[in-house]
Amino acid sequence: QVQLVQSGAEVKKPGASVKVSCKASGYTFTDYYMHWVRQAPGQGLEWMGRINPNSGGTNYAQKFQGRVTMTRDTSITTAYMELSRLRSDDTAVYHCARDTDGMDVWGQGTTVTVSS
Amino acid sequence: SYELTQPPSVSVSPGQTASFTCSGDKLGDKYASWYQQKPGQSPVLVIYQDNKRPSGIPERFSGSNSGNTATLTISGTQAMDEADYYCQAWDSSTVVFGGGTKLTVL
Repeated sequence: QVQLVQSGAEVKKPGASVKVSCKASGYTFTDYYMHWVRQAPGQGLEWMGRINPNSGGTNYAQKFQGRVTMTRDTSITTAYMELSRLRSDDTAVYHCARDTDGMDVWGQGTTVTVSS
Repeated sequence: SYELTQPPSVSVSPGQTASFTCSGDKLGDKYASWYQQKPGQSPVLVIYQDNKRPSGIPERFSGSNSGNTATLTISGTQAMDEADYYCQAWDSSTVVFGGGTKLTVL
């Protein structure tokens, strides 16, 4: 079945970087864009950007430009999201989600805690 | 930047119809999607392209989009439908989410 499995929880200090992975299975990885969406505690969904797994091309939300990098490794059908210069308000659950006219499959989420 | 506005909460009794609105400038010219999110779980797509249901989504979920407002409707609301609901649209290669509406089934 179609599945996105994300890496485990992370605890980081302010100023550090975090890299979250999203392993896709059950479909052709390069056929669909992958989005990254985050959700701070008690807050709504916030779009961070997307990557075209076929070309590697990216679109980032303006808010994260310069701090976020989305990449992929097609040989292992995995997408990555790296966020740098972490702040306490980056504490959130980070999700990957496949795009097929709507985000139809989501990863289980990766909790990133930023604390000194 | 483009904004989508949702009321913070909606309450209905079991069996009644729940309606969720999502407002944005000329939203009817874009496609709207809707997501259901229960506590501690990842979001689930319930409506895409304004009114299409993914496989496995019950027929009681329906959607429409016209003018400045998209609407998600749950007919015959069940206790299991209690969740947060988010609308989403595209604007200039950017995804925008509404702030979400919490559905309480009394």
